[in-house]
Amino acid sequence: EAGVAQSPRYKIIEKRQSVAFWCNPISGHATLYWYQQILGQGPKLLIQFQNNGVVDDSQLPKDRFSAERLKGVDSTLKIQPAKLEDSAVYLCASSPRGDRDREQYFGPGTRLTVT
Amino acid sequence: DAKTTQPNSMESNEEEPVHLPCNHSTISGTDYIHWYRQLPSQGPEYVIHGLTSNVNNRMASLAIAEDRKSSTLILHRATLRDAAVYYCIAPNSGGSNYKLTFGKGTLLTVNP
Repeated sequence: EAGVAQSPRYKIIEKRQSVAFWCNPISGHATLYWYQQILGQGPKLLIQFQNNGVVDDSQLPKDRFSAERLKGVDSTLKIQPAKLEDSAVYLCASSPRGDRDREQYFGPGTRLTVT
Repeated sequence: DAKTTQPNSMESNEEEPVHLPCNHSTISGTDYIHWYRQLPSQGPEYVIHGLTSNVNNRMASLAIAEDRKSSTLILHRATLRDAAVYYCIAPNSGGSNYKLTFGKGTLLTVNP
């Protein structure tokens, strides 16, 4: 089966610009996650969707970050305006259900550099 | 989530077994133990998970202590491709959403 797809793979922008990332999860997976991974650290959950509803966005900086999952399939994560500290890899993951005994499948990530 | 403690780094030789330890002394009785790994420049990859008894799959084995306060990920014959950061995670099983909280993990180096 096809894995989690993300685009673009790399993005370089200047601070105060906006950027958007796209994620296509594994077909049939109800749960979708966005993580931020800063260099040298483990991934940090930004937002979790169950179908097209938000389950957890407690760590999403809502003044500049937004995410949506229309029709419960693809998702986009947007940053507006970007700051230098947003430089990181943004990972999308999906799971059949958000259950405690099911694994998450990760995409390759989008590396964002803010200059 | 139960706090997990892992060594920052470990080293192994190719074709030898590797035992990666993890302490999770505050784990509750219904929290699963998950292991993921992240190869360079890739997203994390699921390795294995378990609750109480030892688990085996094609990638690795998971040995869980009887009191569940620690576990060990076992790679039976390390290859160069196993060089990665290994994350041990014990998500809180309570609540309506289930999420993974990644620490810094253990950086495994495999020597040829």
